[in-house]
Amino acid sequence: DGGITQSPKYLFRKEGQNVTLSCEQNLNHDAMYWYRQDPGQGLRLIYYSQIVNDFQKGDIAEGYSVSREKKESFPLTVTSAQKNPTAFYLCASSILGAGGFFSYNEQFFGPGTRLTVL
Amino acid sequence: DAKTTQPNSMESNEEEPVHLPCNHSTISGTDYIHWYRQLPSQGPEYVIHGLTSNVNNRMASLAIAEDRKSSTLILHRATLRDAAVYYCILRDVAGGGSNYKLTFGKGTLLTVNP
Repeated sequence: DGGITQSPKYLFRKEGQNVTLSCEQNLNHDAMYWYRQDPGQGLRLIYYSQIVNDFQKGDIAEGYSVSREKKESFPLTVTSAQKNPTAFYLCASSILGAGGFFSYNEQFFGPGTRLTVL
Repeated sequence: DAKTTQPNSMESNEEEPVHLPCNHSTISGTDYIHWYRQLPSQGPEYVIHGLTSNVNNRMASLAIAEDRKSSTLILHRATLRDAAVYYCILRDVAGGGSNYKLTFGKGTLLTVNP
């Protein structure tokens, strides 16, 4: 079945350690996104990418890094510089509109990774 | 993105219709109205979107006011599986701009009673 997978579902990290969250999609979507959600809040955009080997910062990129070496994969690294990394992390993907612009088409979300810093 | 206002929570009984309101008084002519929902401990899922006319799909209906300053998501027969947080989001489809992202507020927490 087509979809987005994120792993692991739960992740525990010690302070000062970097950790990488996996996101894979087999929907043949060009655009991919990472969001962060804190308890009782909406989602906030961390990074997004519309093409392989290119990505842009979202609203809260500090302390995070990403790569886009393959169309299907968009891993997120939470670095030790992220001051409050405990959160629910969601990956999403979508098609692009004509001309490569982001369109109003729906974004498909993965099941999320819940990261806890001990 | 233009701002939306939704009630923090609503309750419904199973098998009854639910009307979830959203106010967006500063909506622009190129803003589409999108609805997503998020079940507990899951990623959001797309529900429906529209521009000016009312829209129907297998999940829900979207009623858009004539002046577009408000809209209502309609679940025709609520089930326990519809208990979720519902987000009303505006997306500007004018070329370029910031239409790559979804700007989520806190949404409306829908509780469905058996």
